[in-house]
Amino acid sequence: QSVLSQPPSASGSPGQRVTISCSGSSSNVGSNTVSWYQQLPGTAPKLLIYNNDLRPSGVSARFSGSKSGASASLAISGLQSDDEADYYCAAWDDRLKMAFGGGTKLTVL
Amino acid sequence: QVQLVESGGGVVQPGRSLRLSCVASGFTFSSYAMHWVRQAPGKGLEWVAYISFDGTRKYYADSVRGRLTISRDDSKNTVHLQVTTLKHEDTAVYYCARDLGWEPPDYWGQGTLVTVSS
Repeated sequence: QSVLSQPPSASGSPGQRVTISCSGSSSNVGSNTVSWYQQLPGTAPKLLIYNNDLRPSGVSARFSGSKSGASASLAISGLQSDDEADYYCAAWDDRLKMAFGGGTKLTVL
Repeated sequence: QVQLVESGGGVVQPGRSLRLSCVASGFTFSSYAMHWVRQAPGKGLEWVAYISFDGTRKYYADSVRGRLTISRDDSKNTVHLQVTTLKHEDTAVYYCARDLGWEPPDYWGQGTLVTVSS
């Protein structure tokens, strides 16, 4: 059972905007910053968003993050076929551990 | 560029021990905290251990506490993960990852597969 809650699946058609949610508690998302990762099959996770809403250099502006209270969201606009992947949220927990979401499998229809 | 290369995985019998290593390059290793994160086949990411930049603070997931030891050797730009009393449920790809400064990791290695099987 993951500490952070994500929907197991999400889908959208090419060009659409999809949002993936991440729900935590006051000890993790509510009091620490959130990062988002993309994991393509057979590869290591890649950082998409850090500090709730910042994009590392080289990450497309189609990816955006937000946080409100103990919940965070990842939005992907202009959906493309190569966005099909697993997406994970993560945040430190005040109980001295790192928390991950269970992952959301994004399907591009 | 930042590179993290894990090694030490393989097939191990239940009850045995294993030491994983991760060699870092492309950044000042001694200035960064490091993590180990694992992923069981077909499952999500599970954080297992953290070591501070100076090695004085070490944190472990509750699920593995007592069986894992994280350490670092700054002279070799290497972080290790010792896993003892291996169980079938320890079967996973183990990734090392660089801490972003009390934020979730930024760079990840390619992972090393540990299979616990008799």
